[in-house]
Amino acid sequence: GAGVSQTPSNKVTEKGKYVELRCDPISGHTALYWYRQSLGQGPEFLIYFQGTGAADDSGLPNDRFFAVRPEGSVSTLKIQRTERGDSAVYLCASSPGTGIKDEQFFGPGTRLTVL
Amino acid sequence: SQQGEEDPQALSIQEGENATMNCSYKTSINNLQWYRQNSGRGLVHLILIRSNEREKHSGRLRVTLDTSKKSSSLLITASRAADTASYFCAPDSGTYKYIFGTGTRLKVLA
Repeated sequence: GAGVSQTPSNKVTEKGKYVELRCDPISGHTALYWYRQSLGQGPEFLIYFQGTGAADDSGLPNDRFFAVRPEGSVSTLKIQRTERGDSAVYLCASSPGTGIKDEQFFGPGTRLTVL
Repeated sequence: SQQGEEDPQALSIQEGENATMNCSYKTSINNLQWYRQNSGRGLVHLILIRSNEREKHSGRLRVTLDTSKKSSSLLITASRAADTASYFCAPDSGTYKYIFGTGTRLKVLA
């Protein structure tokens, strides 16, 4: 009965480097979301997957950010040429995606620090 | 998608007291959900209230919804130190996307 897991829990990188953040949703959940949260703010929507496809990537801040979900389960958020402003907690959530609006189950997040 | 705005931004109470926080939104909704977040990590779903409901209870939580005023309130009764967290509302207009506000930061003092 595992929940949503995210790895790593913390990631420190240098400006300009490439990072990958992983999300393992609850088994069977077809909907998957990525959010970014800065200190003192609410989670900011980045991208939504329904199955393998990105149904809405309008929240991705720029083309340095990309996310995949090739088999409709695990998702990876990829950030190229990281900048200090990318430092935040990156949250992943999944929901059953039955077509009825469901609660979202959140992972513990990955805290990304760009030095 | 629309954003819920929580009020107050911060609330500090003594253990055992009740805590009330409010949420306002702009357009009609199908339902509204409340989430809690501890220590800046993952959010936990607390309760969902549908647009045709006016009040809902879950343990020490009581949620009301006034669609005419486009507002909801979350009441936590007999608060405990463990209730210290940030609370967010998520109004659902029928899309999959939540736009979270800045939340209400609740501090319960022992």
